[in-house]
Amino acid sequence: DAKTTQPNSMESNEEEPVHLPCNHSTISGTDYIHWYRQLPSQGPEYVIHGLTSNVNNRMASLAIAEDRKSSTLILHRATLRDAAVYYCILRNYGGSQGNLIFGKGTKLSVKP
Amino acid sequence: EAQVTQNPRYLITVTGKKLTVTCSQNMNHEYMSWYRQDPGLGLRQIYYSMNVEVTDKGDVPEGYKVSRKEKRNFPLILESPSPNQTSLYFCASSLSTSGVGEQYFGPGTRLTVT
Repeated sequence: DAKTTQPNSMESNEEEPVHLPCNHSTISGTDYIHWYRQLPSQGPEYVIHGLTSNVNNRMASLAIAEDRKSSTLILHRATLRDAAVYYCILRNYGGSQGNLIFGKGTKLSVKP
Repeated sequence: EAQVTQNPRYLITVTGKKLTVTCSQNMNHEYMSWYRQDPGLGLRQIYYSMNVEVTDKGDVPEGYKVSRKEKRNFPLILESPSPNQTSLYFCASSLSTSGVGEQYFGPGTRLTVT
């Protein structure tokens, strides 16, 4: 799986939008972009994934650049519960052992 | 509620004493996997299973065993635990056989081997 680069940490105020960037300049045409998050003392939690088009779900939105070399996870209104480490992961669906390779991620702090 | 459960959540044991960490999912998922998480090393896959009676090694399988006799259960066995197996362990499951879709994680088991 290709490598991703994320900022080590970000801060946000409660109820404001948060844009978490991810660079993946070596992404291949068959790599999906997945986001997971890990709240303190919990297991990782799936957030969203996409291939080329922007995606929305109840948790977040995923904006994918036209050249697919970067993407942004958008939390529309941050809450204190959104404080977590966010991981951007590339997954190639072309036959793998299914393991998720987590980098260091971005630690998001949310201030009340 | 759809979930992955692990037991125990916390375990302190001594070197060489066999232990089993259980993992169960109620989502009828085909794929199940075990990871360990260590500071600075991220999550590393230990073993995975694409279906009942089908298991395979992940990236760090040494010192571990698994079995998949039923679809819902995937226990992790440490026959002779050593201090370097002190870690936080997560079980995960996925609907797709290859595990490349959304993965659901359990709450974790913190193991300390003295």
